[in-house]
Amino acid sequence: AQTVTQSQPEMSVQEAETVTLSCTYDTSESDYYLFWYKQPPSRQMILVIRQEAYKQQNATENRFSVNFQKAAKSFSLKISDSQLGDAAMYFCAYRSAWIYGGSQGNLIFGKGTKLSVKP
Amino acid sequence: EPEVTQTPSHQVTQMGQEVILRCVPISNHLYFYWYRQILGQKVEFLVSFYNNEISEKSEIFDDQFSVERPDGSNFTLKIRSTKLEDSAMYFCASSPSPSSYNEQFFGPGTRLTVL
Repeated sequence: AQTVTQSQPEMSVQEAETVTLSCTYDTSESDYYLFWYKQPPSRQMILVIRQEAYKQQNATENRFSVNFQKAAKSFSLKISDSQLGDAAMYFCAYRSAWIYGGSQGNLIFGKGTKLSVKP
Repeated sequence: EPEVTQTPSHQVTQMGQEVILRCVPISNHLYFYWYRQILGQKVEFLVSFYNNEISEKSEIFDDQFSVERPDGSNFTLKIRSTKLEDSAMYFCASSPSPSSYNEQFFGPGTRLTVL
C-alpha cells in the first residue's frame, strides 16, 4: 500500500523569505501523481501544485515549485517570497495513475505541515 | 468560481445516533468522494461514488456508513449509529472525471463530534 509522510508538523518562515516543506512517499507503482494542497484556517483545501511522476521536469506555479526526486521518493514544496496569505496547513498527497481495476482515484494524504508566516 | 459546499459546518451528536452529512458538489462534476480526518491524524479516504453507485471504498467504510445522491445536487454521507471514534472532520470532494491528473475540489468540511 502507498504511504505519504510529512515529517514537519509545523514550520515557520519570515515574510518574503523562502521555505521548503518536505514530503516522502512509498509506492511500488511507476506511474502516479503527486499533489500539494493548501488548507487555510476554516477554509477548504485547494490545489497548489501537481506533478506527474513520468515527467522529470519539476512543476512550478508562480511562487510555488517542487523538487521531485523519483528515485528517492521525495516531493518537497518550495514557497518563494512568502506572503502572509501563505499561512495554512499544507498537505502532500499521492494518487495512483492506474484508475481502472486498481485505485479509483482516491488521494492518499500525509499528516500535513502547518506553516506560519511572520510579518 | 464554483465551490463544493458542506452542511452543517459542525455537528454534535450522542453516541448511537444517526447523522447525515450533506455536500453539494460542483454542478458539472461526476465523481464524488468522502474523506475524513481524525484530529492530529492523516486525511483518509472513505468512499468514491459515480453514476449512482460506489466506485471504491476503504476499510473504514463499513456497514455503518452509506452514501447517497438523493437528487441532482446533494451527495450525503450517513453514519447509522455513531461511535466515539467517528469524531472527525469529514471532507467531501468532487471532480469532473476520475483521471488522476484532474484536481479534486474539496468542501470546507463538517466537524463531527460524538459524545
